[in-house]
Amino acid sequence: TQLLEQSPQFLSIQEGENLTVYCNSSSVFSSLQWYRQEPGEGPVLLVTVVTGGEVKKLKRLTFQFGDARKDSSLHITAAQTGDTGLYLCAGASPGGSYIPTFGRGTSLIVHP
Amino acid sequence: DSGVTQTPKHLITATGQRVTLRCSPRSGDLSVYWYQQSLDQGLQFLIHYYNGEERAKGNILERFSAQQFPDLHSELNLSSLELGDSALYFCASSVVGRGDTQYFGPGTRLTVL
Repeated sequence: TQLLEQSPQFLSIQEGENLTVYCNSSSVFSSLQWYRQEPGEGPVLLVTVVTGGEVKKLKRLTFQFGDARKDSSLHITAAQTGDTGLYLCAGASPGGSYIPTFGRGTSLIVHP
Repeated sequence: DSGVTQTPKHLITATGQRVTLRCSPRSGDLSVYWYQQSLDQGLQFLIHYYNGEERAKGNILERFSAQQFPDLHSELNLSSLELGDSALYFCASSVVGRGDTQYFGPGTRLTVL
């Protein structure tokens, strides 16, 4: 079973601070996705990274896929209260059927 | 609004009972996925259907089954319910089901008493 470890598990910061969330595994993934989930709702896809070393930016969010495609990070610059939520990473194993493995998530609270 | 609908939103039942959760995918999406989310296990992939056929199975118990109908809606059947089955159950849909963007529904919160 492939495992994705996310850290930190919880993060409580003030508006305007920067933060980085990590997603690590000992397995190689063909692609990795980051989601944000708000209370009472389903996860919403933020980004998909496919190529080792790939960096994608989405406004104040920067996503990086590790060179070996085993890990990823999400960096948020100047966090806002609207960034509050549960951040999940999900990896897809190479080949065959698409079976996503999700990390346990990082719960982020941004205080005004 | 993702375009994926799930019913019911909340379900409270007793141990040993059987329930059916329903999911309608986004218009045009052929793939439906089911997930279970609990505090201790996180989000777990259960099963994937594409155009009526089962494509992949994850950590789905034998007491659980699913199907996708010709109109592409899907149902997840949970039987002989146990306290530990209490969780949020999400359905997601995508166009082709090969790692393309999944759109999650709002979930069904199941409470087993």
